[in-house]
Amino acid sequence: DIQMTQSPSSLSASVGDRVTITCQASQDISNYLNWYQQKPGKAPKLLIYDASNLETGVPSRFSGSGSGTDFTFTISSLQPEDIATYFCQQYPNLPYTFGQGTKLEI
Amino acid sequence: QLRLQESGPGLVKPSETLSLTCTVSGGSVISSSYYWGWVRQSPGRGLEWIGNVYYSGSTYFSPSLKSRVTISLDTSKNRFSLNLTSVTAADTAVYYCARVGYYGTQSFDIWGQGTMVTVSS
Repeated sequence: DIQMTQSPSSLSASVGDRVTITCQASQDISNYLNWYQQKPGKAPKLLIYDASNLETGVPSRFSGSGSGTDFTFTISSLQPEDIATYFCQQYPNLPYTFGQGTKLEI
Repeated sequence: QLRLQESGPGLVKPSETLSLTCTVSGGSVISSSYYWGWVRQSPGRGLEWIGNVYYSGSTYFSPSLKSRVTISLDTSKNRFSLNLTSVTAADTAVYYCARVGYYGTQSFDIWGQGTMVTVSS
């Protein structure tokens, strides 16, 4: 299985801050990486697909980059509604695997 | 607007079979563009992919669960189902159904709300 390692596991930031989360794959996955946001008691929501493409309707303050084994997820200016846990996910290697999550707090 | 809704028992006894159904509304499960999948989430295991089913009936499972999992598609009722046999406390989790892209990006782009399943006697 491909292991996905996110860092940090938790992060405290202020409204307006630039926030960066990293995800490292245990082997080369090209750009086959997705990012999700999960709020408490809710299902994950797709934000970024193929490492850098913004899902329809997702605010432009969210962005992603990277390829190979190292990926970055960025919120350019943190908003109160961005408080959530963020996960990366690789494909198409089965089993799909997710990072352990980064909990973002204000 | 496509919606997915999980249903099934919230409590299952150890050694028994966990059975969940995901009903799809606002669209058809007969689509060559998507898989229909199951993911579970627990504090100890995080998000864990269980398996996918394609409209043709082809199925794909996580190797760690493959011996205990079946996923089936009921096109007449526009739903798909998960069966997990011989459950233990380790199978206690929130179970989500989701739509998964087939061509190109394989992202989980639409999710059900999730259903909590506890394994306990």
